[in-house]
Amino acid sequence: TQLLEQSPQFLSIQEGENLTVYCNSSSVFSSLQWYRQEPGEGPVLLVTVVTGGEVKKLKRLTFQFGDARKDSSLHITAAQTGDTGLYLCAGRLTSGTYKYIFGTGTRLKVLA
Amino acid sequence: DTGVSQNPRHKITKRGQNVTFRCDPISEHNRLYWYRQTLGQGPEFLTYFQNEAQLEKSRLLSDRFSAERPKGSFSTLEIQRTEQGDSAMYLCASSSRDDSGNTIYFGEGSWLTVV
Repeated sequence: TQLLEQSPQFLSIQEGENLTVYCNSSSVFSSLQWYRQEPGEGPVLLVTVVTGGEVKKLKRLTFQFGDARKDSSLHITAAQTGDTGLYLCAGRLTSGTYKYIFGTGTRLKVLA
Repeated sequence: DTGVSQNPRHKITKRGQNVTFRCDPISEHNRLYWYRQTLGQGPEFLTYFQNEAQLEKSRLLSDRFSAERPKGSFSTLEIQRTEQGDSAMYLCASSSRDDSGNTIYFGEGSWLTVV
C-alpha cells in the first residue's frame, strides 16, 4: 500500500503552460517536502512545508500544504523546458519517527 | 562541497557476490538514511540512523542487507549474495538535529547492476 499517492503520474505539456501536481494521503504528516530529480541523480530539495494551510513560493513554483496536513500541491506557472524532471513529494509522519515516506512521483516533460 | 557523498557511484557485480556502499553525510548531521529507488519509482525507505543507533528498518531490508554507522558519522550498506532484483539506485540522505529533522538532503546515489 502506497502511503503517498501522486497525480498525475505523467505529464507532457507545452512551454508556457501552467500545471498542478498533487500529493495525497490518508495519513497526517508533520512536514512535507517536494523534490525534483534528474535522471541518474539524487533528489534535490525544492521546499519544506510544516504548517497546515501553508503556502510557499519559489519563483514560478507555488507549494501548498493542506489544512489537515494530509495533502499537498505543487503549481508551476509558465512552465519552461528546464522544469522537466521527476517531481517527488515526501512526508514525515507525526508518530514520532523521523522516517520520510516518498510519493509515487510525477514525471513532467515540458516541450519547447 | 560539503553535501552528502556516496561511493562508488556505479557498481556492476555478478549475482551471488557481495557489495558495499559507503555514505558520508553532511558534517554534524545526526540522522542518516538509506533508500532504494528503481527506474520510474519514488525512493523506498530502507533504514535510518540517529547517531550510531539504527532506529528503524524496513521489511524491504532482508537478511542479506545490513547497514552500519559505527561512529555516528559515515555509514555502509552491504548486500550479501546479490540477486538481479537488487539492481537499483541506493540513495543516502542526512538531516540535522538543529533543523528539527524536517529537511533531509540526498546524495547523488550509488547505482547497482547485478548481472
